[in-house]
Amino acid sequence: SQQGEEDPQALSIQEGENATMNCSYKTSINNLQWYRQNSGRGLVHLILIRSNEREKHSGRLRVTLDTSKKSSSLLITASRAADTASYFCATGGKAAGNKLTFGGGTRVLVKP
Amino acid sequence: DGGITQSPKYLFRKEGQNVTLSCEQNLNHDAMYWYRQDPGQGLRLIYYSQIVNDFQKGDIAEGYSVSREKKESFPLTVTSAQKNPTAFYLCASTLDTTLYNEQFFGPGTRLTVL
Repeated sequence: SQQGEEDPQALSIQEGENATMNCSYKTSINNLQWYRQNSGRGLVHLILIRSNEREKHSGRLRVTLDTSKKSSSLLITASRAADTASYFCATGGKAAGNKLTFGGGTRVLVKP
Repeated sequence: DGGITQSPKYLFRKEGQNVTLSCEQNLNHDAMYWYRQDPGQGLRLIYYSQIVNDFQKGDIAEGYSVSREKKESFPLTVTSAQKNPTAFYLCASTLDTTLYNEQFFGPGTRLTVL
């Protein structure tokens, strides 16, 4: 079973608008990561937030983490057509091997 | 260039055949992983290896096998015992297995069973 569940499953916005997607998880974590996947390609790491952090920024990306609610959000500001992709959250737990458990993803379409 | 490569990009297999997917990295990473992705879904872990000559089953290891004879290489064999092997397969690596390390992904291999 997947640890993370993304919401919404799909999102369509106009260029310039902000895109927000959420991730919920079930068990305690050490870190939560967000990845992007363009169609038919591998995943690209976007940002990692540790369990003792509440917010992190990287360029146009803002990630929040609420461990009491077991949830995270990814905000993409001033979206561009090139941001069209699927976005996945992945949780890292305390198990050996630095294993990540991925959610089902949010498919984002940014219309020019 | 440092990176992680997978070959082939597309693979077609007849039912009953074993096939091997290649994954190579020159990042000097200790840990490597194999994931399966079905259409519109997230990634599921098949096998992972923390160090040479050692590997562990992930969540969906049945019908798959791996080896880790060299640090750079982590091939995945999809055996005839895998009931529904048609999927997109992704290989990843990470520096080591301590916490807070991102995973680096290869471009993937799309396997289709005819």
